[in-house]
Amino acid sequence: GNSVTQMEGPVTLSEEAFLTINCTYTATGYPSLFWYVQYPGEGLQLLLKATKADDKGSNKGFEATYRKETTSFHLEKGSVQVSDSAVYFCALSERGFGNEKLTFGTGTRLTIIP
Amino acid sequence: DSGVTQTPKHLITATGQRVTLRCSPRSGDLSVYWYQQSLDQGLQFLIQYYNGEERAKGNILERFSAQQFPDLHSELNLSSLELGDSALYFCASSVTSGGPRTDTQYFGPGTRLTVL
Repeated sequence: GNSVTQMEGPVTLSEEAFLTINCTYTATGYPSLFWYVQYPGEGLQLLLKATKADDKGSNKGFEATYRKETTSFHLEKGSVQVSDSAVYFCALSERGFGNEKLTFGTGTRLTIIP
Repeated sequence: DSGVTQTPKHLITATGQRVTLRCSPRSGDLSVYWYQQSLDQGLQFLIQYYNGEERAKGNILERFSAQQFPDLHSELNLSSLELGDSALYFCASSVTSGGPRTDTQYFGPGTRLTVL
């Protein structure tokens, strides 16, 4: 079955540091890949997505590239801010056609120190 | 604000009881998904409804059931509750156009269930 493996947390960085959170996946077919973010006390928000190989998703300074050859979708940001402190989830969904359940990784808690 | 609403926000109940969680999808979205977030099992897909019909089932216990009504809101019913059912339950919705591209799921704020 499908699975997502995420970098274990927690991750603590200083403000303006470079961020990488690793994510690899196992899936049949050609899944779509997502990063969701969960701020304290809130629900999940879509951060970015990519639907095919070599696509780059980006939003709010975060980027991730869909790498089929390495089955990876690592999240990066060049300069993190305190407001980026949250839990980040990598997820996949089998492509479309109405059956689009998300399979999530375990989540990575990120704390940014001023 | 994702446009997906869930009620109640918090629910505290006792073992053996039954509860109902409610979800209203974004306007125009036909699919509703239910997910459970717990400390030991992470985020798990429970069930999907599309336009009133069950579309996909995940790791949903037999004690749990769901339905989607003609106005597209959905309810998740949890019965014979156990301590281990304590978790955050999320509802998500999507357009589900039926095409080859995956439609984005938008999540509600969740219902935190505590079973004592």
